[in-house]
Amino acid sequence: SQQGEEDPQALSIQEGENATMNCSYKTSINNLQWYRQNSGRGLVHLILIRSNEREKHSGRLRVTLDTSKKSSSLLITASRAADTASYFCATVSGGTSYGKLTFGQGTILTVHP
Amino acid sequence: DTAVSQTPKYLVTQMGNDKSIKCEQNLGHDTMYWYKQDSKKFLKIMFSYNNKELIINETVPNRFSPKSPDKAHLNLHINSLELGDSAVYFCASRGAGAYEQYFGPGTRLTVT
Repeated sequence: SQQGEEDPQALSIQEGENATMNCSYKTSINNLQWYRQNSGRGLVHLILIRSNEREKHSGRLRVTLDTSKKSSSLLITASRAADTASYFCATVSGGTSYGKLTFGQGTILTVHP
Repeated sequence: DTAVSQTPKYLVTQMGNDKSIKCEQNLGHDTMYWYKQDSKKFLKIMFSYNNKELIINETVPNRFSPKSPDKAHLNLHINSLELGDSAVYFCASRGAGAYEQYFGPGTRLTVT
């Protein structure tokens, strides 16, 4: 079964609006990461939040983590057409996981100019 | 100066054939991974090597055999290809002490 499940599956907004994507997971984690995938390309790491952190910022990105609810959210502020992509959350479990990423289903974000 | 590269980018082949995908990273990372992304864009780990040693081997048919000749290279050989093997295969690498992974551009495999 999937570790991470994301909602919404697809999100369509206008340039300048904020985009919020949510991710839920099932087991305990060491950290949670967000990746972006442009169409036909590989994944690019955006941000990592550790299990003992609640919020993290990087430029226009804000990530929150609620380990009691086993959920995370990614907020992209003042979105741009170039933000159009698929966004995936991925978890790394504790113990001997060798850094293995367990991915959610992803959210397809479309930002209209 | 590509960080993680894969060849080929596209691979179209017939059922029953054997094919290989190659991956190279120039980041000096110790750990490399293969992921499979299906038609619904779901990504799943297949294998991982650390310094040429296999450390992760998920439930993957034994028709898939990874090989790491050195820590900068991780290849994936697939025997007796089946229609269900059609997917995009991504290679990734990770540095020691870090968690973020660097992905290659992917190899789109189509089995007809």
